[in-house]
Amino acid sequence: GNSVTQMEGPVTLSEEAFLTINCTYTATGYPSLFWYVQYPGEGLQLLLKATKADDKGSNKGFEATYRKETTSFHLEKGSVQVSDSAVYFCALNSGNTPLVFGKGTRLSVIA
Amino acid sequence: DSGVTQTPKHLITATGQRVTLRCSPRSGDLSVYWYQQSLDQGLQFLIQYYNGEERAKGNILERFSAQQFPDLHSELNLSSLELGDSALYFCASSVGWGNEKLFFGSGTQLSVL
Repeated sequence: GNSVTQMEGPVTLSEEAFLTINCTYTATGYPSLFWYVQYPGEGLQLLLKATKADDKGSNKGFEATYRKETTSFHLEKGSVQVSDSAVYFCALNSGNTPLVFGKGTRLSVIA
Repeated sequence: DSGVTQTPKHLITATGQRVTLRCSPRSGDLSVYWYQQSLDQGLQFLIQYYNGEERAKGNILERFSAQQFPDLHSELNLSSLELGDSALYFCASSVGWGNEKLFFGSGTQLSVL
């Protein structure tokens, strides 16, 4: 079945540091890939997505590229801010199956 | 604000009891999804309804049931509660049934004592 594996946190970075959160997946067919973000006390929000191989999703300075050859969708940001502190979830769906989420990676950015 | 409303925000109850969680989707959204979030299991899909009909079923226990009403709001019923049912329960909605973009509520925190 479909599954997502993402790096375990927590990840603690200083402001303006470079961020990478790794995500790999297993799926049948041609999945769409997503990153969702959960700020403290809130529900998840879609951060970015990519629907086919080599697509790059981007939003709010975050980027992720759909790599079919390595079955990966790593999240990156060049310079993190304190306001980026949140839990980040990698997710996929294939066809019209429900979204499958990774376990989440908690990011803490300190000033 | 995602436009998805969940009530109550917090619920404390005892083992063996029954509770109902309520979700109102965004205006115009026909699909409602329920997810359970726990520290050890992460975010687990429970069930999806589309325009009143069950669309997909995930790891939902037999003690749990859900429905979507004609006005499109949804309820998740949890019965014979156990300590392990303590979790954050999220509702999400989307326009169609294809899971393209989900909008999440802020969740109901259930504590079973």
